[in-house]
Amino acid sequence: QVQLQESGPGLVKPSETLSLTCAVSGYSISSDYFWGWIRQPPGKGLEWIGNIYHRGSTYYNLSLKSRVTISIDTSKSHFSLKLSSVTAADTAVYYCVRVRGVGIFDYWGQGTLVTVSS
Amino acid sequence: EIVLTQTPGTLSLSPGERATLSCRASQTVTSYHLAWYQQKPGQASRLLIYGASSRATGIPDRFSGSGSGTDFSLTISRLEPEDFAVYYCQQYGSSPLTFGGGTKVEIK
Repeated sequence: QVQLQESGPGLVKPSETLSLTCAVSGYSISSDYFWGWIRQPPGKGLEWIGNIYHRGSTYYNLSLKSRVTISIDTSKSHFSLKLSSVTAADTAVYYCVRVRGVGIFDYWGQGTLVTVSS
Repeated sequence: EIVLTQTPGTLSLSPGERATLSCRASQTVTSYHLAWYQQKPGQASRLLIYGASSRATGIPDRFSGSGSGTDFSLTISRLEPEDFAVYYCQQYGSSPLTFGGGTKVEIK
């Protein structure tokens, strides 16, 4: 059973960098899938952030591309998200996902709430 | 960017009733690249339907998807107590990948 678990600080100050990690278990992160991040501001809908392949190629939502970096560490079976220069608008539940094909999110983590506040 | 509009925002129904959820796209969704997800508080979201009409592994056959082009729907033939949740459609035919605003199916 594929399991994904997000971890990272729940509180980030404005202008700083949000950093999250997703630990993958039950499946080899080096296999033929993309891995991705999605977020959901409180009470709002879902927003795709970006995907990464195990060989390192990335695809980002252009609305966030200038601030986002997604990386992968196959030796540790995890992948990570960095979002720079955060503001209150970046407050959201962040989900990590496994991505099948061109963009089907077939496994999700439970999500982690990140609040941007001083 | 393809904008997905889901209607209704909330659907109030009783167990055993039929639920029909709509998802309309601002542009044609290529190659039936449309998926549906179920979201419940405190749980990992679940893929229900992909390719507009293919059920994901382990999804009961009371869930069905249909549609093409710009108009898609998710039908739950007979609501079970565990089906009361929020449902999202998502297109993966073009970047950025986008989601609808969601439909909440609540107990009447």
